[in-house]
Amino acid sequence: NAGVTQTPKFRVLKTGQSMTLLCAQDMNHEYMYWYRQDPGMGLRLIHYSVGEGTTAKGEVPDGYNVSRLKKQNFLLGLESAAPSQTSVYFCASSYWAGAVGELFFGEGSRLTVL
Amino acid sequence: DAKTTQPNSMESNEEEPVHLPCNHSTISGTDYIHWYRQLPSQGPEYVIHGLTSNVNNRMASLAIAEDRKSSTLILHRATLRDAAVYYCILRGGNTPLVFGKGTRLSVIA
Repeated sequence: NAGVTQTPKFRVLKTGQSMTLLCAQDMNHEYMYWYRQDPGMGLRLIHYSVGEGTTAKGEVPDGYNVSRLKKQNFLLGLESAAPSQTSVYFCASSYWAGAVGELFFGEGSRLTVL
Repeated sequence: DAKTTQPNSMESNEEEPVHLPCNHSTISGTDYIHWYRQLPSQGPEYVIHGLTSNVNNRMASLAIAEDRKSSTLILHRATLRDAAVYYCILRGGNTPLVFGKGTRLSVIA
């Protein structure tokens, strides 16, 4: 199994450009999450989804949009990139959302906005 | 989510046990204690979780204080591959994981 796969792994954007990060999981998980991690910091939750067709805001949702049209995919979009969005983005999925659910993370996507 | 307090960094010698502490004095009765670790340039990975009793798995042990206001992740024999940032996280109900800054563990050969 591939687990959680993120594409692209690296991207450089200019301010104002748009892009989409794709997260795909092959574990039939209901729950999916997008986090960002800035240097020396822990992960912060951007958006998450509790099932196909649903999305919810996390701690830092501004400037991002998400979609979950298919159960296995969770897309993170930046409509107009800003230098403050330079970060490493991690996608995760889990079967359970409850307190015992284990999250599986992708390897990350490093985004630089000039 | 209730907050946790961890030391910023710790050092250990290779092949020695490591005890990583976590304080969570405001833990509620339904909060589980989760530990994740993040190796350099990788996404976090699950290590272990528990509620009240001590827990063991192939990666580590989790010792939970009787009053549940603190816990300790135990790596029985540290290797160079265990150098990572270790996150102690409380999770209750259906809330997503909320990460703090964790403890950066350095392992010295």
